[in-house]
Amino acid sequence: DSGVTQTPKHLITATGQRVTLRCSPRSGDLSVYWYQQSLDQGLQFLIQYYNGEERAKGNILERFSAQQFPDLHSELNLSSLELGDSALYFCASSDHRTALVEPGAGYTFGSGTRLTVV
Amino acid sequence: AQTVTQSQPEMSVQEAETVTLSCTYDTSESDYYLFWYKQPPSRQMILVIRQEAYKQQNATENRFSVNFQKAAKSFSLKISDSQLGDAAMYFCAYRRATGANSKLTFGKGITLSVRP
Repeated sequence: DSGVTQTPKHLITATGQRVTLRCSPRSGDLSVYWYQQSLDQGLQFLIQYYNGEERAKGNILERFSAQQFPDLHSELNLSSLELGDSALYFCASSDHRTALVEPGAGYTFGSGTRLTVV
Repeated sequence: AQTVTQSQPEMSVQEAETVTLSCTYDTSESDYYLFWYKQPPSRQMILVIRQEAYKQQNATENRFSVNFQKAAKSFSLKISDSQLGDAAMYFCAYRRATGANSKLTFGKGITLSVRP
């Protein structure tokens, strides 16, 4: 167990639907990152939150949105789903305090949510 | 924008042999960090090794070592004495040094198979 919890592990839904993916970061980590892993695009950065605020935005579609709550868990909302949205969605977290001392530290990833749109 | 390129989609190695996975990147930054992540069938992303760009010495972690060529913007991973458990997808990743919590940029990954 990495300490980063993602739910659900698997999700199957129909086109046009909306889903919410949840991520609980490792205890004490303030930053949460969302990545999308598809077969042809590899791991793509979607969005980052730091202590409740959006910090950076990547290749995130307008149909997608995210937020980080006061307890630091984060949710990624995907709406008007298309077949091409089928992918593995990862959440990662990092510790700002550790990053200051050890800037090269990697991130801790969750085990991902496998989304299948049919 | 920074980019990371892994041009080999697949590689195979005989158990106990050595294999090298290639990665190149493009950046205008002078200080940054490079990583290799392993993704086994369990899908978990596992940090294998990291390299600070300002360090000339190549990083090593047990059977894993890197060949970091800053001028050539090359960052290859060498796996010695390959084991069956090394079979996985490997991702090369880049992170800027400025900003304690900057994002990772990944290559598309390479699938490594290990032949018994």
